Amino acid sequence: DAGVIQSPRHEVTEMGQEVTLRCKPISGHDYLFWYRQTMMRGLELLIYFNNNVPIDDSGMPEDRFSAKMPNASFSTLKIQPSEPRDSAVYFCASSSPGWGGYTFGSGTRLTVV
Amino acid sequence: AQKITQTQPGMFVQEKEAVTLDCTYDTSDQSYGLFWYKQPSSGEMIFLIYQGSYDEQNATEGRYSLNFQKARKSANLVISASQLGDSAMYFCAMRSYGGATNKLIFGTGTLLAVQP
Repeated sequence: DAGVIQSPRHEVTEMGQEVTLRCKPISGHDYLFWYRQTMMRGLELLIYFNNNVPIDDSGMPEDRFSAKMPNASFSTLKIQPSEPRDSAVYFCASSSPGWGGYTFGSGTRLTVV
Repeated sequence: AQKITQTQPGMFVQEKEAVTLDCTYDTSDQSYGLFWYKQPSSGEMIFLIYQGSYDEQNATEGRYSLNFQKARKSANLVISASQLGDSAMYFCAMRSYGGATNKLIFGTGTLLAVQP
């Protein structure tokens, strides 16, 4: 298994631009999570899906953030418009219900200038 | 409310010695899991060890063991025979299996430095 795959690994964009982060979970995992990591706030859960349905998006910071999971093998996190304070590492993770642990992707380091 | 507390922002340990990283948690659920993850400077999150709330014995995985004290709500990570490659940030996390909450919440982490 290739694990959780995120793309891109690094993204540098200008303030005001749209940014799309992508994630492919492990096949068979029915939970998918998006986290954001910053020095100031640590690891924050933004949103999670179960069987492609968004369950809890209470961590999404504001309307500029949106996430979709059109099928079991793909999810996107979009920021529009991006701001410098969105600079962070964004992790995607997936999980199966039996064990409960998460497998994390390698993360996307986003820099908004 | 669920919460994970790691009170040690940073720790030093000499190579080959054992080190304990502290973690306390708070939950009203009876069924939950406790996890430790390692994040080296390269940034990836690496799963280390898991303890279920109903597990009678402390979990062990190689040089990692989890000192689970349910009554005290603590889940300390013990690393034996520290190696230079153990230098990293370590996160304690909890996932409750009861109710509507099904998300993994993390502590603030402990930065471990292994000295030669």
